[in-house]
Amino acid sequence: ELKVEQNPLFLSMQEGKNYTIYCNYSTTSDRLYWYRQDPGKSLESLFVLLSNGAVKQEGRLMASLDTKARLSTLHITAAVHDLSATYFCAVDYNQGGKLIFGQGTELSVKP
Amino acid sequence: EAGVAQSPRYKIIEKRQSVAFWCNPISGHATLYWYQQILGQGPKLLIQFQNNGVVDDSQLPKDRFSAERLKGVDSTLKIQPAKLEDSAVYLCASSLALWTDTQYFGPGTRLTVL
Repeated sequence: ELKVEQNPLFLSMQEGKNYTIYCNYSTTSDRLYWYRQDPGKSLESLFVLLSNGAVKQEGRLMASLDTKARLSTLHITAAVHDLSATYFCAVDYNQGGKLIFGQGTELSVKP
Repeated sequence: EAGVAQSPRYKIIEKRQSVAFWCNPISGHATLYWYQQILGQGPKLLIQFQNNGVVDDSQLPKDRFSAERLKGVDSTLKIQPAKLEDSAVYLCASSLALWTDTQYFGPGTRLTVL
């Protein structure tokens, strides 16, 4: 059974600091997604990583995928309050859209 | 482009009652998904449709949950009878095809079972 684990589960940051969220998964896959969820809201797609070594960046967020290590990272640069949310990684289990989600990382950015 | 629509947004029922949720995917999206998100957890896939056929329902509790996607567009998810542990947000998502890279999520229906 595919397992997806994120760490940390909770992250309190100061504005301006950098940090990385890690997403490990237990079986082979080369499709990984990052989503953002604000409290009481639905999920918003951030990044789609489709091959080993893929790197994507949007604003202060950068995501990468290492399929050999079964690891994805979401790096936050110079955090701002607007980035406060819960971030989920999800792995496509069978290349057919069956997503297995991690537990989520609740990010709080404080002034 | 209109997003995924869901209704109702909130529902409160007593245990053993039945409830139904409705989803209208993004126009032209062949693949539709229903997820259950329990508070504090990531979404869990319940069922996946391609057009009006079921692709995967391995995690759907079939003794009480059912879903259909008539005509390959709208979908309904039903719970009958509901249990306390069914309290969750039920999210509908759609994508262009099974192998398309992004699933787009609707706002969800928050179900509370008392």
